[in-house]
Amino acid sequence: AQTVTQSQPEMSVQEAETVTLSCTYDTSESDYYLFWYKQPPSRQMILVIRQEAYKQQNATENRFSVNFQKAAKSFSLKISDSQLGDAAMYFCAYRIPYSGNTPLVFGKGTRLSVIA
Amino acid sequence: DGGITQSPKYLFRKEGQNVTLSCEQNLNHDAMYWYRQDPGQGLRLIYYSQIVNDFQKGDIAEGYSVSREKKESFPLTVTSAQKNPTAFYLCASSEGQSGTDTQYFGPGTRLTVL
Repeated sequence: AQTVTQSQPEMSVQEAETVTLSCTYDTSESDYYLFWYKQPPSRQMILVIRQEAYKQQNATENRFSVNFQKAAKSFSLKISDSQLGDAAMYFCAYRIPYSGNTPLVFGKGTRLSVIA
Repeated sequence: DGGITQSPKYLFRKEGQNVTLSCEQNLNHDAMYWYRQDPGQGLRLIYYSQIVNDFQKGDIAEGYSVSREKKESFPLTVTSAQKNPTAFYLCASSEGQSGTDTQYFGPGTRLTVL
């Protein structure tokens, strides 16, 4: 079974600094998709970034980027120039790209605090 | 505006009662999902539906039931058989048959057993 592990229950970062959140996963599949979701205090789940396993290039969305290491099964999220609005729970998730819509497997999350 | 709505935002249930959580989407998405979120547990899959009139159990389906009579709607019933239903429930949907399809989430329902 696929599992996703986030080893940092809590992290903090100074405003304008950079922080990296860790995620590892276990799978025997060669093709799959990885996601980072953000859950602010409103509890609305918001997609931050997505990575296809067959792509070697790391995904980037503005201040958010990933370091995808397929052999190590690692998928970390880097937040640059941290802002107060980045404070939230961050969840790493995995999905198998079978035909049909397969569900996501989530890690337990990392709570990020941003210090002014 | 396109999106996913869940109602009610807060729901209180007495012991032994069945309650139904609503999830509606106007995104014309084929697939819909129900997740449960407990503190420190992340999100766990209850049920999902890839198409109308079809659904599959997830990891924690016991004590829950669903229906998918319309593409837009995927209600979740929490039955009295669910021993610990107090949690935050999130509904999601995704577009089509591709594994690249992103799941979009509703705002959630907080269920509390009195």
